[in-house]
Amino acid sequence: QKEVEQDPGPLSVPEGAIVSLNCTYSNSAFQYFMWYRQYSRKGPELLMYTYSSGNKEDGRFTAQVDKSSKYISLFIRDSQPSDSATYLCAISEDYKLSFGAGTTVTVRA
Amino acid sequence: EAGVVQSPRYKIIEKKQPVAFWCNPISGHNTLYWYRQNLGQGPELLIRYENEEAVDDSQLPKDRFSAERLKGVDSTLKIQPAELGDSAVYLCASSLNVAVGTDTQYFGPGTRLTVL
Repeated sequence: QKEVEQDPGPLSVPEGAIVSLNCTYSNSAFQYFMWYRQYSRKGPELLMYTYSSGNKEDGRFTAQVDKSSKYISLFIRDSQPSDSATYLCAISEDYKLSFGAGTTVTVRA
Repeated sequence: EAGVVQSPRYKIIEKKQPVAFWCNPISGHNTLYWYRQNLGQGPELLIRYENEEAVDDSQLPKDRFSAERLKGVDSTLKIQPAELGDSAVYLCASSLNVAVGTDTQYFGPGTRLTVL
C-alpha cells in the first residue's frame, strides 16, 4: 500500500466551477500536509501547506485536513483556465515528502 | 532570485549508455534533493544532501546510479549504464533549512530522460 493515495483524474470542468481534489494517507504520524501544482514540462511548486487538522484558505484555494479519517482535500473556487495543471498532494515527515500520483485538471474557457 | 537550474532539459540516449544530469540550487540553500518522476506518478526521492554530505541515499539504486555534490553547491546525478526503465523526469530541488518541518522544497524544471 502506498503511503499516499490520490483520487485519479483527469478532471475537466468549465470555467467558474469548484474543483475538489482528494487524497488519503496511511501513516497517522504525518504532521504536514501540502499541495503542489505542476504545470506541463515544469517542476512542482508549493501551493499550500497545512499543519495537522483543520482548514486553510488562500484566495480561491482551500486546503482541508481531517486527521481522524486521514483525508486531505484541496478546493479551488471560481476555477480559471490558468488553474489547468496537475495537482499533487504531499505529506511531510521530517524532510521527506511522500507524493500522491497527481490529478490533472483542465478548466475549459 | 533565480530558481533551481537544471540541465539538460531533455536527453535521449540508447540503453547501456551513460548519462549525467546537472543541478544548481537556489543560492544559500544547503539542502539538495534528487527526485525521479515516472509518467503519471508523483516524484520519488532518490538522494538528499546536506551541504556536501549525502545524508539519505537509501532509495538510490547504487548499482547504476551515482551522485555527487562537490563544494556543497552544484550537484550531478549519473546513470551508468542506462536501462529502458530509467526513462523518467529527474527533478532537483533545494531547501533552506531541513530542520524546519515546513521547510519548503523548491523544484527545478527537471530533465526528461528517454532511453531507447
